[in-house]
Amino acid sequence: DIVMTQSPDSLAVSLGERATINCKSSQSVFYSSTNKHYLAWYQQKPGQPPILLISWASARESGVPDRFSGSGSGTDFTLTITRLQAEDVAVYYCQQYLTTPITFGGGTRVEIK
Amino acid sequence: QLQLQESGPGLVKPSETLSLTCTVSGASVISNLCYWAWIRQTPERGLEWIGNICSSGTTYYNPSLKSRLTISIDSSKNQFSLKLSSVTAADTAIYYCAKTFSGFPNWFPSWGRGTLVTVSS
Repeated sequence: DIVMTQSPDSLAVSLGERATINCKSSQSVFYSSTNKHYLAWYQQKPGQPPILLISWASARESGVPDRFSGSGSGTDFTLTITRLQAEDVAVYYCQQYLTTPITFGGGTRVEIK
Repeated sequence: QLQLQESGPGLVKPSETLSLTCTVSGASVISNLCYWAWIRQTPERGLEWIGNICSSGTTYYNPSLKSRLTISIDSSKNQFSLKLSSVTAADTAIYYCAKTFSGFPNWFPSWGRGTLVTVSS
């Protein structure tokens, strides 16, 4: 199985500042035949299911604010929230879909400082 | 607009079988791709992919659950279902049904609201 490890477990960021969430996979999630990274990011608020933010490591889902961006390659990926808003308080998860079993990171909680 | 709704007992006794159904509206479960998935979430293990099923009936299961797991499709009701046998307290979780993007494996753009299942006597 590909193990997804997120860091930090939680972080507190001031409104309007930048939040950076890391996700590391135990093996590369890059597939050379497609030249893509099989990595997605989700946001989950209390009592709600996860919401897809980003696929292919950096492709923002339609309707997702442009303050959310994904980057990285190989085994190391980052979700960045620039200009943090109050509504961004949530837990964020990464997910690999290169191989089965599909696996998720343990989550990073983002709070307001 | 696609909607997914989980249903089933909220309480299951240890050693019994957990059974859940996902009712799909806004799409057909008999599309040609392996869209339909179950995922569960616990505070201890986080999000855990359970399995996917294709309209053909082909299934992909998490190896950690495979020996206890059955996922099936009922096209007449536009539903797909989950059965997990010999449950223990470790199977207590919020269970989500979800739709995979364009086949399997892939990401999950659509989720049900989730249903809490507690395993307890």
